[in-house]
Amino acid sequence: DTEVTQTPKHLVMGMTNKKSLKCEQHMGHRAMYWYKQKAKKPPELMFVYSYEKLSINESVPSRFSPECPNSSLLNLHLHALQPEDSALYLCASSQGLSGSQYEQYFGPGTRLTVT
Amino acid sequence: AQSVTQLDSHVSVSEGTPVLLRCNYSSSYSPSLFWYVQHPNKGLQLLLKYTSAATLVKGINGFEAEFKKSETSFHLTKPSAHMSDAAEYFCVVSLYNNNDMRFGAGTRLTVKP
Repeated sequence: DTEVTQTPKHLVMGMTNKKSLKCEQHMGHRAMYWYKQKAKKPPELMFVYSYEKLSINESVPSRFSPECPNSSLLNLHLHALQPEDSALYLCASSQGLSGSQYEQYFGPGTRLTVT
Repeated sequence: AQSVTQLDSHVSVSEGTPVLLRCNYSSSYSPSLFWYVQHPNKGLQLLLKYTSAATLVKGINGFEAEFKKSETSFHLTKPSAHMSDAAEYFCVVSLYNNNDMRFGAGTRLTVKP
């Protein structure tokens, strides 16, 4: 099974809401990633978890809070977002940290709209 | 530091004709290179990867790419385009044992009937 699943597929939230995005993989991968992708742009790395520990935080605002409860799950908690945070949020996983021979496997994404 | 440049933001071909998507990279060390494809409102799917083995890399759906160190290029090709190939393509470079992956800006491939 080479699938990364993400829920929900679509999310509309107000600027005062709290919501969470979920990502799951069952490939035994030990690195997981969150990306943000705006329309007609490449994905931008937000966070990297390696062995369930936060490895990289690309200076993301604190209104985005990642969590890795176990090796298969990755959450992104959202609070007090801004309209400019509307984007496609992609989760990915890899056998090890990328930068070596390990490719990343991507989920289908969550389309987030902040109103 | 490494970076990647996709030389064309948009490529249009007719169905059945060859596809060439160009990618140049900049890296101080031996890079790993990847091509991903993204269909509208979908996640990214790996087409192929180069990790210092054979310089000609074959991927899925008939795509292949050749690593040319002298030209710092990793162009993606396919002999005959299919309508289903219409998508956004990203070239990605990363350093060995470094978590810094850099995406190119993307090339949108249009396939005309």
